[in-house]
Amino acid sequence: QSVLTQPPSVSGAPGQRVTISCTGSSSNIGSAYDVHWYQHLPGTAPKLLIHSNNNRPSGVPDRFSGSKSGTSASLAITGLQAEDEADYYCQSYDSSLSGFCVFGTGTKVTVL
Amino acid sequence: QVQLVESGGGVVQPGRSLRLSCATSGFTFSNYAIHWVRQAPGKGLEWVAVISYDGSSEYYADSVKGRLTISRDKSTSTVSLQMNSLRTEDTATYYCARVTNGDFFDYWGQGTLVTVSS
Repeated sequence: QSVLTQPPSVSGAPGQRVTISCTGSSSNIGSAYDVHWYQHLPGTAPKLLIHSNNNRPSGVPDRFSGSKSGTSASLAITGLQAEDEADYYCQSYDSSLSGFCVFGTGTKVTVL
Repeated sequence: QVQLVESGGGVVQPGRSLRLSCATSGFTFSNYAIHWVRQAPGKGLEWVAVISYDGSSEYYADSVKGRLTISRDKSTSTVSLQMNSLRTEDTATYYCARVTNGDFFDYWGQGTLVTVSS
């Protein structure tokens, strides 16, 4: 069971805005560890979407944005497109875990 | 270009061993820590293990500690994951990934499937 909780699924029509939450605690997100986000299509390598809370790597559309506040973080997708249908994971670190690294539970985004 | 390529997956019986490899190229191997991350069928991503850039430190998820061992070979720019005493719950696609100074994974391999079944 991950220490970072995400909603199992979110959905939206093309062009709409959806948000995905990543809820942690004082030992991870609340300890000032950065949050990163990945997009994952089955059978492919996960892709870095947002790093260090709100930074987009080159090549990632500006429709994707991230934020962090307190013990939670969020990923927003504006102008939803069919190609955005995928699984999304937040990732951070936790001082209470032996290896520190932790992924969120994952969210399936469905484009209606 | 940066590449990470996993190999070594397959079908293995419970209790047996398997060794995965992650061959890297396109970057200075000795400058980066490498992680293993897995995804069981129908489940989410699970962090498994990490080895530091110089091989001096290793950390493991509690679920694999004592059974899996990560190592690296700078002569071949390869990271390995020795998997002993395998369990059915170790069935997953295993990915290796490079981590940056910002502690995020910027490059991933395509994964290799390990199936533990009798």
